[in-house]
Amino acid sequence: DAGVIQSPRHEVTEMGQEVTLRCKPISGHNSLFWYRQTMMRGLELLIYFNNNVPIDDSGMPEDRFSAKMPNASFSTLKIQPSEPRDSAVYFCASSSNRLAWGTGELFFGEGSRLTVL
Amino acid sequence: QKEVEQNSGPLSVPEGAIASLNCTYSDRVSQSFFWYRQYSGKSPELIMSIYSNGDKEDGRFTAQLNKASQYVSLLIRDSQPSDSATYLCAVGPGGTASKLTFGTGTRLQVTL
Repeated sequence: DAGVIQSPRHEVTEMGQEVTLRCKPISGHNSLFWYRQTMMRGLELLIYFNNNVPIDDSGMPEDRFSAKMPNASFSTLKIQPSEPRDSAVYFCASSSNRLAWGTGELFFGEGSRLTVL
Repeated sequence: QKEVEQNSGPLSVPEGAIASLNCTYSDRVSQSFFWYRQYSGKSPELIMSIYSNGDKEDGRFTAQLNKASQYVSLLIRDSQPSDSATYLCAVGPGGTASKLTFGTGTRLQVTL
């Protein structure tokens, strides 16, 4: 079975440019999460969706960040305009919470490494 | 104040020894606890989950949970060089919610 698929794997852009990161969750999973990882702050939850609906976006740093999930098999994280401090690895993860007691296991994609110059 | 605290390490142990990794958390209502392993340049992968006080063993790995002390640990017996990685502690509310809060990780080095 295919895991969580993210693209692009690497993105180098200049400050002020728009960045769009893409994610395809594991088929059948109904929760999707966007995390950002940096050396200083570790893994930070940006936003998560349940059944395509945004449930908690309190981790989104500011209005420059937006995320969408138009259907069960696709999500995007957009940064506009990008800034050097946005440089990080962005992970998408999915899970299934259909069980009465969810396992809580997150399946991570390989990440998108973003560098903003 | 960080919600999930881990010593960043590196924790260095010789091959064959027991590695002990520790984690404390601040939210008393937390019900689900996980250990993820992350190799350099790779994504995190789940190695252990624990929900009840006490020990849970899986092969060379043992997770220990003490909710009263808000403490969770991971023991790795017979450490191997392939265990060298960063270990992330994650804490969640339990139930069907999967919103996990991660610690910054402990880097483990297993030396020959």
